[in-house]
Amino acid sequence: AQSVTQLDSQVPVFEEAPVELRCNYSSSVSVYLFWYVQYPNQGLQLLLKYLSGSTLVKSINGFEAEFNKSQTSFHLRKPSVHISDTAEYFCAVSFSSNTGKLIFGQGTTLQVKP
Amino acid sequence: GAGVSQSPRYKVAKRGQDVALRCDPISGHVSLFWYQQALGQGPEFLTYFQNEAQLDKSGLPSDRFFAERPEGSVSTLKIQRTQQEDSAVYLCASSLARGALNTGELFFGEGSRLTVL
Repeated sequence: AQSVTQLDSQVPVFEEAPVELRCNYSSSVSVYLFWYVQYPNQGLQLLLKYLSGSTLVKSINGFEAEFNKSQTSFHLRKPSVHISDTAEYFCAVSFSSNTGKLIFGQGTTLQVKP
Repeated sequence: GAGVSQSPRYKVAKRGQDVALRCDPISGHVSLFWYQQALGQGPEFLTYFQNEAQLDKSGLPSDRFFAERPEGSVSTLKIQRTQQEDSAVYLCASSLARGALNTGELFFGEGSRLTVL
């Protein structure tokens, strides 16, 4: 079955430290990849996406993710986190075009400590 | 409004009651999705509309769940004879074009939290 796995349910990290949130998926077909973020008491927001082209994609607030087809991964990284990055992060995958059906991972809570 | 609006934000129902959850998508958005998010889990797909047509309802967990979008804008998710396992946050999302992939971005509402006692 097609699935998305986020290996860490919680990631505590100190402010200004680097962070990596891991995401792996299972699929034998082409995929489209997304990271969504949910700040406290807010709805899900798209952070970044990979549809085609360069395998390294970046967000406006310093996050980046790299699509690795051979390892079926799409890990999210940031070299220096801020307190305001504290949120729930969801990796999502779409396995076919034109359906809108995203499969989400279980989520990773990023806790940035001062 | 500027974003996806869902109501009610919180709903407490007794087991066996029927509930209706409303989603008002961003104006002009063709596609509308419903997801269910249980506590500590990621969202799970329920159903998808393109305008008024329900193109995919493969995620609806039982025939107690019913969704409609009669005029291609506002959508209602109805759950009949609610059970405790229906307790979850129900998320609505919309996108401008058909299918999520044309834009790659879904705009989510804040969700409706349903608690079944």
